[in-house]
Amino acid sequence: DSGVTQTPKHLITATGQRVTLRCSPRSGDLSVYWYQQSLDQGLQFLIQYYNGEERAKGNILERFSAQQFPDLHSELNLSSLELGDSALYFCASSATLLNYGYTFGSGTRLTVV
Amino acid sequence: QQQVKQSPQSLIVQKGGISIINCAYENTAFDYFPWYQQFPGKGPALLIAIRPDVSEKKEGRFTISFNKSAKQFSLHIMDSQPGDSATYFCAATVYSGAGSYQLTFGKGTKLSVIP
Repeated sequence: DSGVTQTPKHLITATGQRVTLRCSPRSGDLSVYWYQQSLDQGLQFLIQYYNGEERAKGNILERFSAQQFPDLHSELNLSSLELGDSALYFCASSATLLNYGYTFGSGTRLTVV
Repeated sequence: QQQVKQSPQSLIVQKGGISIINCAYENTAFDYFPWYQQFPGKGPALLIAIRPDVSEKKEGRFTISFNKSAKQFSLHIMDSQPGDSATYFCAATVYSGAGSYQLTFGKGTKLSVIP
């Protein structure tokens, strides 16, 4: 157990729907990162939050949004889902902005049908 | 500029052999080069990492070799074991502003170690 908790582990939903993925970072970690992993694109950085504030954005679609709450858990919201959004979504956390060693959760496998 | 190119895509090695995975980058602002190991159904886990002022780092059977002038780095797994069968990702970190660092991954190498 890495200490980073992601729920749910699996999610199957229809095109056009909206889902929310949840991440609880490792105890004491202030920074949360979201990554999308697909077979053809590998691990793609989506967005980073630090202590409730957005700090960096990667290849995140406008249909996707995220937030980090006062208790430091984070949610990734995916809307108007398309078949191509099917992927593994990973959350990672680190203690500070300057901590290079990310700890990843086990991911949420999203299947859009 | 932000890419990290990894090869090979897949690798089959016999037990006891040496597994070698290579990565190359263009962005000279990258300042930290970790390797992650991922087993099926799990998230990537930090395996070993190196900074560009060091040419080699060894931890047990895992060694990173770093060539700053060629902008290349590689992972060597000595005495490869079936338990090493996993997907390996090289990565690189760069300062992305606002006090934040961004980690960019290679596309991964699926290693299979056969008995």
